[in-house]
Amino acid sequence: TQLLEQSPQFLSIQEGENLTVYCNSSSVFSSLQWYRQEPGEGPVLLVTVVTGGEVKKLKRLTFQFGDARKDSSLHITAAQPGDTGLYLCAVGSGNTGKLIFGQGTTLQVKP
Amino acid sequence: EPEVTQTPSHQVTQMGQEVILRCVPISNHLYFYWYRQILGQKVEFLVSFYNNEISEKSEIFDDQFSVERPDGSNFTLKIRSTKLEDSAMYFCASSEDGRYRDTQYFGPGTRLTVL
Repeated sequence: TQLLEQSPQFLSIQEGENLTVYCNSSSVFSSLQWYRQEPGEGPVLLVTVVTGGEVKKLKRLTFQFGDARKDSSLHITAAQPGDTGLYLCAVGSGNTGKLIFGQGTTLQVKP
Repeated sequence: EPEVTQTPSHQVTQMGQEVILRCVPISNHLYFYWYRQILGQKVEFLVSFYNNEISEKSEIFDDQFSVERPDGSNFTLKIRSTKLEDSAMYFCASSEDGRYRDTQYFGPGTRLTVL
């Protein structure tokens, strides 16, 4: 069973600061997804990364897939209170579309 | 922008009752899924569905659970005899076929409370 470890578990920062969160595993993946989830709501897809070393940008969010396709990072520049939420990484397991999720990083951005 | 929808948003039921959770996936998607999330825990896979049959199911998805695509738009999850431990958020998701299968779009969820 693939195990995804996300770090840190909790992060509380001031508005305007930069931050990086990580998603690590010992397994190799064909793709990796990042989601953001707010309390009581469904995960919202942010990005899919598929190529080792790939970097994708979504406004102030930068996603990187490790060269060996075992890990990924999410960097947020100049965080805003609206970035507050649970950030989840997920990977496919097998050929049926089953996604395995990490436990998430809870981000709080204080004004 | 197309989105996955789910009804109801909140379902309260008595232990032992049957519940049906409903989902309308994104219209051109071919893979459909149910996940659940117990409060404070990880999102867990329940079942995947493709070409009108179950592709994979987890250990959680026992004989009390079933899924159906009764028409061209709806995808349902039935729990025949609910237990207290079935209380959770249930999410439906869908994705395209092929290389985009893992790029899954989730609905807003149904909060199931079993009393």
